[in-house]
Amino acid sequence: DAGVIQSPRHEVTEMGQEVTLRCKPISGHDYLFWYRQTMMRGLELLIYFNNNVPIDDSGMPEDRFSAKMPNASFSTLKIQPSEPRDSAVYFCASSRSSGGAVGELFFGEGSRLTVL
Amino acid sequence: GQNIDQPTEMTATEGAIVQINCTYQTSGFNGLFWYQQHAGEAPTFLSYNVLDGLEEKGRFSSFLSRSKGYSYLLLKELQMKDSASYLCAVRDRAGGYNKLIFGAGTRLAVHP
Repeated sequence: DAGVIQSPRHEVTEMGQEVTLRCKPISGHDYLFWYRQTMMRGLELLIYFNNNVPIDDSGMPEDRFSAKMPNASFSTLKIQPSEPRDSAVYFCASSRSSGGAVGELFFGEGSRLTVL
Repeated sequence: GQNIDQPTEMTATEGAIVQINCTYQTSGFNGLFWYQQHAGEAPTFLSYNVLDGLEEKGRFSSFLSRSKGYSYLLLKELQMKDSASYLCAVRDRAGGYNKLIFGAGTRLAVHP
């Protein structure tokens, strides 16, 4: 069974450019999470969806960040315009809402973003 | 809001036992997770506690005290490959939805 798939794995861009990160969750999972990880701030929750509906976006840093989940198998995180302080590893994770270790997150490999 | 505290760094010797502590404050506690993260990789699930007590899983055990807002991860018979960051995460069910909030992580270095 395929895990969470993220693309791109690495992205280097210049300040002011638009960045789009993509995620395909595990089939059958009804929660999808976007996290950002930096050395300074650790793993921060940006936004999460339940059944494709955004539930809590209070972690989104500012209006330059937006996320969508048009269907159960695809989500995007967009940064426009990007800034050097957005440089981080962005993880997508999915989970299911029933079962034993409910809420166990399965992480993608992450997208390492560098904004010059 | 949520607050999760764990030590920043720890060192230990191969073959020894190490205990990584985590304290938390949250309004809608609904479980505590430990994740392992090797450098440059994604976090992977280690353990889950929702009731008080000890959960054992091979060389790893995790303990939870909900009244004290406290958990620890115990690693026995340490191996070099256990050098990694260990993330304590609390599941919060405020508003009826589950979300996982992570601590900053404890970087464990295992020496020969």
